[in-house]
Amino acid sequence: DTAVSQTPKYLVTQMGNDKSIKCEQNLGHDTMYWYKQDSKKFLKIMFSYNNKELIINETVPNRFSPKSPDKAHLNLHINSLELGDSAVYFCASSHAETQYFGPGTRLLVL
Amino acid sequence: QKEVEQNSGPLSVPEGAIASLNCTYSDRGSQSFFWYRQYSGKSPELIMFIYSNGDKEDGRFTAQLNKASQYVSLLIRDSQPSDSATYLCAVVRTDSWGKLQFGAGTQVVVTP
Repeated sequence: DTAVSQTPKYLVTQMGNDKSIKCEQNLGHDTMYWYKQDSKKFLKIMFSYNNKELIINETVPNRFSPKSPDKAHLNLHINSLELGDSAVYFCASSHAETQYFGPGTRLLVL
Repeated sequence: QKEVEQNSGPLSVPEGAIASLNCTYSDRGSQSFFWYRQYSGKSPELIMFIYSNGDKEDGRFTAQLNKASQYVSLLIRDSQPSDSATYLCAVVRTDSWGKLQFGAGTQVVVTP
């Protein structure tokens, strides 16, 4: 049973396109996160939702818009993709302060 | 100054030896400290967390925290080739909704 799942696993797209990444967790956690890991492997938080409410919104271009339809799902929509958006995007969920990461979505913008 | 600093490595460790990884943090409001392991192409996996000063042991892993000196370390005893990975240090402030601040990671290579 997958605890935190993400789709798609790989995403290759052209500059200027709009794309979405989906995340689901079956752990019953209330809090979910989106992280970006760049080519230097630095992992940085982007957003967090607690019970469908946005609680962390880091300095991220407004082309990135998270949406949480329910507490088990957190999606990330990216408009007008740029070359610099190429990275691995990880979803995570947490109970207390222990976070569990999904497998990641590898985004390549050409 | 980065909020969480780690030596990027690679740290080369002979099989069976002790690997010692260090992490320093700048925010004195940090209250919770985590070590994640990340294999190449995989997601971070929690190894240990520590909240109080002193040592915490879990199997071959020992986390050490010194809040006065603002450092946290991870010892891996009897290192195995399967321990070869990047180890990420992360810290959380209590008032931050669990916002993990990660270091850049230390790559460990265990040589047979």
